[in-house]
Amino acid sequence: NAGVTQTPKFRVLKTGQSMTLLCAQDMNHEYMYWYRQDPGMGLRLIHYSVGEGTTAKGEVPDGYNVSRLKKQNFLLGLESAAPSQTSVYFCASSYIREDTQYFGPGTRLTVL
Amino acid sequence: GENVEQHPSTLSVQEGDSAVIKCTYSDSASNYFPWYKQELGKRPQLIIDIRSNVGEKKDQRIAVTLNKTAKHFSLHITETQPEDSAVYFCAALSYTGGFKTIFGAGTRLFVKA
Repeated sequence: NAGVTQTPKFRVLKTGQSMTLLCAQDMNHEYMYWYRQDPGMGLRLIHYSVGEGTTAKGEVPDGYNVSRLKKQNFLLGLESAAPSQTSVYFCASSYIREDTQYFGPGTRLTVL
Repeated sequence: GENVEQHPSTLSVQEGDSAVIKCTYSDSASNYFPWYKQELGKRPQLIIDIRSNVGEKKDQRIAVTLNKTAKHFSLHITETQPEDSAVYFCAALSYTGGFKTIFGAGTRLFVKA
């Protein structure tokens, strides 16, 4: 099993450009999450999904959109990137809500 | 908004000593408390967790205690080893009025050989 994978690993954008980050899991998990990690601030929840076809806002959803068309995939979109979105983005998944969250390897995004 | 305070931000210990990291949460609806270890450039990995109906949990050299009344939980690492050096994050999760997961800011642990 690959666990949780993320693509791409690194990306540099210019302000105003758009992009989509892909998260995939092969553990048949219901719950999937997108976090951002900034220095000295821990991880903050952007959006999450409790099952295929569902999405919900987390702590810092502004400027991001998500979709969960297939159970195994969770996409994070930035429609118009801003320098404040420079961060490391982690995807995670869990079988049930009160359970271990397995994290992907992260995507380092820089917005110039 | 809800928050989790984590202390200390940096902790340096000698190999073989114990390390204690403390977290305080504000959301009284929180009922699941995981601890993650993150090595430099790597993904966070769960090392231990505790649910609100349990006061203490131990797994070999690692233990977590929870005081729901004080909204306080702690990570205890005994007989520390150099490979324990990493950043440790606590988190508090709640499901009342929507799912929330709030992480502490992290503790950088250095274990000196």
